Amino acid sequence: DAGVIQSPRHEVTEMGQEVTLRCKPISGHNSLFWYRQTMMRGLELLIYFNNNVPIDDSGMPEDRFSAKMPNASFSTLKIQPSEPRDSAVYFCASRPGRPNEKLFFGSGTQLSVL
Amino acid sequence: GENVEQHPSTLSVQEGDSAVIKCTYSDSASNYFPWYKQELGKRPQLIIDIRSNVGEKKDQRIAVTLNKTAKHFSLHITETQPEDSAVYFCAANFGNEKLTFGTGTRLTIIP
Repeated sequence: DAGVIQSPRHEVTEMGQEVTLRCKPISGHNSLFWYRQTMMRGLELLIYFNNNVPIDDSGMPEDRFSAKMPNASFSTLKIQPSEPRDSAVYFCASRPGRPNEKLFFGSGTQLSVL
Repeated sequence: GENVEQHPSTLSVQEGDSAVIKCTYSDSASNYFPWYKQELGKRPQLIIDIRSNVGEKKDQRIAVTLNKTAKHFSLHITETQPEDSAVYFCAANFGNEKLTFGTGTRLTIIP
C-alpha cells in the first residue's frame, strides 16, 4: 500500500488565488482528517469525514475554506480566496472506521501564499 | 472545551539520559492517548499509544504513563540516542473520534 497520498507537495500562490489540495486515503479506511500545521498553533484539526460524510467542520477557520469527499478514495480541501496567513503545512490523514486507532498521515502539502 | 496542553515546548538532553514530556487534557471522557513523532520535514508517525484501561505501557526505550484522575499522561524515553531528536506530539480523543494534538515538544539529543 502506498499510504495516504497528498498532492501537490508544495504550492506557491499569490494572495487572492484559489488553492486546491488533494488527498487519497488508504484503501479501506473509512475516516479521513484534514489538519493544518503551523509553528504557532501546532496541528489543528480542520475537518473530518466518516464514510465520505463530513462529521465535524468546527475547525475550519472561515468560509474561505471548504472540503469535499465525493467518494471513498478522494478528498479535496479548497481555499478561495487564499491569504498569506493561510501559509502552513496541510496534512491529510486516514484510519480504519474504528475509533481510537492509529492515524496514518500523508506527506503533507507545504502551502505558501505570497 | 477540547484542549490538550503539552510541556515543555523544547527539551535538550545529553545522549544516554532520559527525556520526559508531559500532557494534560480537558475531557474526562477521553480514553485514547497516542504519541506521534515528527522528524524535520516529515509526516507525524505514531510511536506509542495508551488506552484508559491501563496505567502504563512500554515499548523498548519508550514508555507512556496515564493518570486518569489527574487527567495527565507522560512520555518517557530512556537511554536517548541522536535519532530520538524530533518533535513529539501528544494527543487525546474527544467524542471518541476527534483527535486533538498538543502543541509539540522539540527534543534535541546532545551527543
